[in-house]
Amino acid sequence: SQTIHQWPATLVQPVGSPLSLECTVEGTSNPNLYWYRQAAGRGLQLLFYSVGIGQISSEVPQNLSASRPQDRQFILSSKKLLLSDSGFYLCAWSVLAGLTDTQYFGPGTRLTVL
Amino acid sequence: AQSVTQPDIHITVSEGASLELRCNYSYGATPYLFWYVQSPGQGLQLLLKYFSGDTLVQGIKGFEAEFKRSQSSFNLRKPSVHWSDAAEYFCAVGAAGGSEKLVFGKGTKLTVNP
Repeated sequence: SQTIHQWPATLVQPVGSPLSLECTVEGTSNPNLYWYRQAAGRGLQLLFYSVGIGQISSEVPQNLSASRPQDRQFILSSKKLLLSDSGFYLCAWSVLAGLTDTQYFGPGTRLTVL
Repeated sequence: AQSVTQPDIHITVSEGASLELRCNYSYGATPYLFWYVQSPGQGLQLLLKYFSGDTLVQGIKGFEAEFKRSQSSFNLRKPSVHWSDAAEYFCAVGAAGGSEKLVFGKGTKLTVNP
């Protein structure tokens, strides 16, 4: 069966510090991968998605970036965090099989920028 | 492009009462429709999905949803709510024919009174 991991689970960082969040998927090949952010009371915001190694699509311009160095690894980064980057970050995966695109979510990372 | 509206930001029900959470979508073709549930501090869990066929879909945890094309709705129901159902619920729509992305509603928070 497929599983998705995210780490760290919780992170507290000062403004201006760098960021690296990691997401890995097991039990599937060539998944589509996604990064979402949830700010309080604002629902899910799609940040990036990737359909293959090295292929990244950005949905919202910001000081975050994403990379996919391996088939089942997705990394969210920032060189300098802002207060507004605080939130709950969710990674998800999907596989286009039979023209369906059900997304499955990881446990999330709670980021607090002080 | 597709869009999703969840008209109710917050709903409170008593334990044992019936529940209906509303979801309206906008999409020019046949949609794929999903309901997810999120407990506090956790990722999203898929409750059920509709792709085609029977418009009444059964999901996990005793939930069901009905697709009504004429009303562009996909409402989630449960005949008897348990205290453990307290969570936030998200409706999502995908494009039939294959799409990497889902569009999520802003969520409905469910409180269950004893």
